[in-house]
Amino acid sequence: EAGVVQSPRYKIIEKKQPVAFWCNPISGHNTLYWYRQNLGQGPELLIRYENEEAVDDSQLPKDRFSAERLKGVDSTLKIQPAELGDSAVYLCASSSELGATEAFFGQGTRLTVV
Amino acid sequence: SQQGEEDPQALSIQEGENATMNCSYKTSINNLQWYRQNSGRGLVHLILIRSNEREKHSGRLRVTLDTSKKSSSLLITASRAADTASYFCATQGTSYGKLTFGQGTILTVHP
Repeated sequence: EAGVVQSPRYKIIEKKQPVAFWCNPISGHNTLYWYRQNLGQGPELLIRYENEEAVDDSQLPKDRFSAERLKGVDSTLKIQPAELGDSAVYLCASSSELGATEAFFGQGTRLTVV
Repeated sequence: SQQGEEDPQALSIQEGENATMNCSYKTSINNLQWYRQNSGRGLVHLILIRSNEREKHSGRLRVTLDTSKKSSSLLITASRAADTASYFCATQGTSYGKLTFGQGTILTVHP
């Protein structure tokens, strides 16, 4: 069974440019997370979806970040415009149901803003 | 925001020794999970312990949970060089959903 797939793996952009990340969760997983991980830190939640509904986006910087999960399957996370401080690894994860279950993570997208 | 703090921040041991990592958290939880992250394979789930459990084992892993002290520990016995990675605890609240990670412990196991 395929795991969580993210693309691209690496992205280098100039500040003020837009960037988008894509995530395809494990088939049948209703819950999807986007996390941001800064160097030497643990992942921090940006947004959580239950099917196509964003149920927790309190930590998403809404002035420049947006996300969508069409049809409750794959998801995109966009930054526009990017700032130097957005350099980080962006992780997508999914889990099979709401409740006490493990999350499965993709390999992440390493973003460098120059 | 990070839920927990992990201790130590870094741990260096020899192959065959045991490694113990600790995690403290602040709010009531439904369960606590441990994940491992290395550069090659991303974040991988290791073990989950529910709030009504005190100890759990999985292979060379032993996890304890003390909800009165809001703390957990992860013990890796007979460590191997392949255990070299960062280890994170993550808590899931009483309403489930959000998985909140700690800062992590960097474990280095020398052959």
